[in-house]
Amino acid sequence: EVQLVESGGGLVKPGGSLRLSCAASGFTFSNAWMSWVRQAPGKGLEWVGRIKSKTDGGTTEYTAPVKGRFSISRDDSKNTLYLQMNSLKTEDTAVYYCTTDGSSTGPGPFDIWGQGTMVTVSS
Amino acid sequence: QSAPTQPASVSGSPGQSITISCTGTSSDVGSHNLVSWYQQHPGKAPKLMIYEDIKRPSGVSNRFSGSKSGNTASLTISGLQAEDEADYYCCSYAGSNTWVFGGGTKLTVL
Repeated sequence: EVQLVESGGGLVKPGGSLRLSCAASGFTFSNAWMSWVRQAPGKGLEWVGRIKSKTDGGTTEYTAPVKGRFSISRDDSKNTLYLQMNSLKTEDTAVYYCTTDGSSTGPGPFDIWGQGTMVTVSS
Repeated sequence: QSAPTQPASVSGSPGQSITISCTGTSSDVGSHNLVSWYQQHPGKAPKLMIYEDIKRPSGVSNRFSGSKSGNTASLTISGLQAEDEADYYCCSYAGSNTWVFGGGTKLTVL
């Protein structure tokens, strides 16, 4: 079964850090480009960032509000995607989803999604 | 970059057809054949319904169709059913390996 399972969410104080994980199964993770998408409570979807496969350079891109604070990485030996979040702000409070985002044939679409993990930034 | 514009809400009766628009710019919606549409029920993860402007993934009902003209993409749902009631989001490639989502549309089946 094709599956993505996020973990690592929780409550953190402003200025704090948190690392999210996304475990993949049922497909060739090493070939997949992967993205993180978030959704603040009662709001719409926001693309956070993406990492390409290592064979395609393993490069990362981020949306402007998280550049310099968030970092995406992957461990293909563990079929796991990570999102390191530093200097967290209250506006980072959201459900964070990991999703597949294409491959060497081209970007997108987001066709496999995890169930999401909630991150709450509050004092 | 700013988000493509979607109507906040649309509604229709069972059996009717509705269309949700997604208006962007020549830098995103209008410049690549990479608009996708997602359905999200409350408390659930989004589900891919349309990709590359007009393509439908296997398993998605043929009542869902996509189109695009210039800087505006559209999602049409024909033969509305109660289970279609959900939030719908368009998403467009915005260049430089970035994506932008529309603001979302709440579909109510009357």
